[in-house]
Amino acid sequence: DAKTTQPTSMDCAEGRAANLPCNHSTISGNEYVYWYRQIHSQGPQYIIHGLKNNETNEMASLIITEDRKSSTLILPHATLRDTAVYYCIVRATGNQFYFGTGTSLTVIP
Amino acid sequence: EAGVAQSPRYKIIEKRQSVAFWCNPISGHATLYWYQQILGQGPKLLIQFQNNGVVDDSQLPKDRFSAERLKGVDSTLKIQPAKLEDSAVYLCASSPNFGDTQYFGPGTRLTVL
Repeated sequence: DAKTTQPTSMDCAEGRAANLPCNHSTISGNEYVYWYRQIHSQGPQYIIHGLKNNETNEMASLIITEDRKSSTLILPHATLRDTAVYYCIVRATGNQFYFGTGTSLTVIP
Repeated sequence: EAGVAQSPRYKIIEKRQSVAFWCNPISGHATLYWYQQILGQGPKLLIQFQNNGVVDDSQLPKDRFSAERLKGVDSTLKIQPAKLEDSAVYLCASSPNFGDTQYFGPGTRLTVL
């Protein structure tokens, strides 16, 4: 079962940063935080993952709190193409990905 | 690098009919996954292969669903006979090896009438 809590939906103005929160208060020490997104009628797309440290790649930044009980995915300059459902998943290596219902992000022109 | 390929993209059948879906993973990926995604929900794992062996099929309804990956490359998922509640998107994913990040195909949307 999903071990994360995310808001059902969020809006963000185009060009602004989108900050998507995720609560994972029961995370274990060996579990990573993964983020995927799913654009309408497509398969989920990997965005980023991390264990303890903050991570950044060409798509987004992942900020994990020091106690690891929550994290935030940051899309620095949201575009209309970032409109999607964003899934936050905690997972130990070798275990299943449990997808919850995610956050539906709408980028508004 | 080519992504995960799936076919068909859409399929409409009547209940009690049979249907098969095909997946070709990213070249060199040893692990292959089939997921079911019902409208409004996140994907749910059905079965996981490592090369041509089944690692986990605990959530596969084995009375009607079957899957194979005979040569350790592409895979087929079959439903026989289909029920109305099988209407969903069937997603295939692959990863370089067991436990690695998964990469998904576009999915097959099945409608059972």
